[in-house]
Amino acid sequence: DAKTTQPPSMDCAEGRAANLPCNHSTISGNEYVYWYRQIHSQGPQYIIHGLKNNETNEMASLIITEDRKSSTLILPHATLRDTAVYYCIVLANFGNEKLTFGTGTRLTIIP
Amino acid sequence: DTAVSQTPKYLVTQMGNDKSIKCEQNLGHDTMYWYKQDSKKFLKIMFSYNNKELIINETVPNRFSPKSPDKAHLNLHINSLELGDSAVYFCASSHPFSPLHFGNGTRLTVT
Repeated sequence: DAKTTQPPSMDCAEGRAANLPCNHSTISGNEYVYWYRQIHSQGPQYIIHGLKNNETNEMASLIITEDRKSSTLILPHATLRDTAVYYCIVLANFGNEKLTFGTGTRLTIIP
Repeated sequence: DTAVSQTPKYLVTQMGNDKSIKCEQNLGHDTMYWYKQDSKKFLKIMFSYNNKELIINETVPNRFSPKSPDKAHLNLHINSLELGDSAVYFCASSHPFSPLHFGNGTRLTVT
């Protein structure tokens, strides 16, 4: 699986959009970009995933660059409950069996 | 109506003991997993079962033995516990080619 690079930490004001970047310059054509998050003392939670098109669901939007070498997770109106560690993962064939988490980005929402 | 539930939430035990962690999911998923999150917060897959059959067995000491009595349960037995086994253990489940649903973890402390 391709490796990802994320900033170790970010702050965002409550109510503003949180934009979390991820670099995955060695991504292969059949690899998806997945985002999970882990709120303190909880298990990881799936947020969104995509292959090459931008995706949106009730939690977030995922913007993938045309060359697929990077992506941005957008939380449109961040709340205090969005404070968590966010993991960007690339994985082939939808298979979650080898889901491997890196160090992620610790996002802190500031009141 | 918890989707993936683990018991116990906390487990403190002495070196050399044998302990079990139970996991149950009520989502009707075919595949269940055990992950380990160490003190540095890295989350790594240990085992994966599909319809009670072992699919993935990462490089895990054979003191760790998963047991799946039915599709909705995947228990983790650990024999001869060592200090290095101290970690948070997460159970997860999924349909094929779908995101994982995680439990809230079992914090194991070996003294």
